[in-house]
Amino acid sequence: AQSVTQPDIHITVSEGASLELRCNYSYGATPYLFWYVQSPGQGLQLLLKYFSGDTLVQGIKGFEAEFKRSQSSFNLRKPSVHWSDAAEYFCAAGGTSYGKLTFGQGTILTVHP
Amino acid sequence: EAEVAQSPRYKITEKSQAVAFWCDPISGHATLYWYRQILGQGPELLVQFQDESVVDDSQLPKDRFSAERLKGVDSTLKIQPAELGDSAMYLCASSSQGGTSGGTYNEQFFGPGTRLTVL
Repeated sequence: AQSVTQPDIHITVSEGASLELRCNYSYGATPYLFWYVQSPGQGLQLLLKYFSGDTLVQGIKGFEAEFKRSQSSFNLRKPSVHWSDAAEYFCAAGGTSYGKLTFGQGTILTVHP
Repeated sequence: EAEVAQSPRYKITEKSQAVAFWCDPISGHATLYWYRQILGQGPELLVQFQDESVVDDSQLPKDRFSAERLKGVDSTLKIQPAELGDSAMYLCASSSQGGTSGGTYNEQFFGPGTRLTVL
């Protein structure tokens, strides 16, 4: 069965520190991979996506993610976190045809001043 | 910038009552999705439309949930009767292309959601 796992439910970092959020997927073939961010009570905003090609992808708000096929991972990174980055982050995977997204459980990011 | 619109933003109802949510996708987007997000979890697809046709409703509890997109534009999701376990955020998303075979994956744009509380 297709699945996306985010091992960390809650991460706390200090403002200015680096960030890495983990994501692992289980799919029959390499899926399309996404990271979304959700602020409280809001919908989802796409940060970045990976379809093919360069395994390091750049997104909005200074985020990047690296696809590692051997580890079935798509971890999200940011070199210096800002207080406004506090939110919940979701990793998602989609197949090549239907477009349905399978989401991970989410990681809540808290940023300390 | 075009956005997906949803209403209402918040809905409180008592169990056994009927509720309905509305979604207006981005103009020109042929594919529309309804997701349910239970607190503390990621969204889960309930139903996917391609124009006015349902292409995936495998996770829709059809005994109480129904969805329609009569003219292939806006959509309504209905729950009757509502149960306590239906309390969740209901998210609508749209994309410009989709289908049942092949094709290019296109980004899904999400609306702000409807927060349902069933008492």
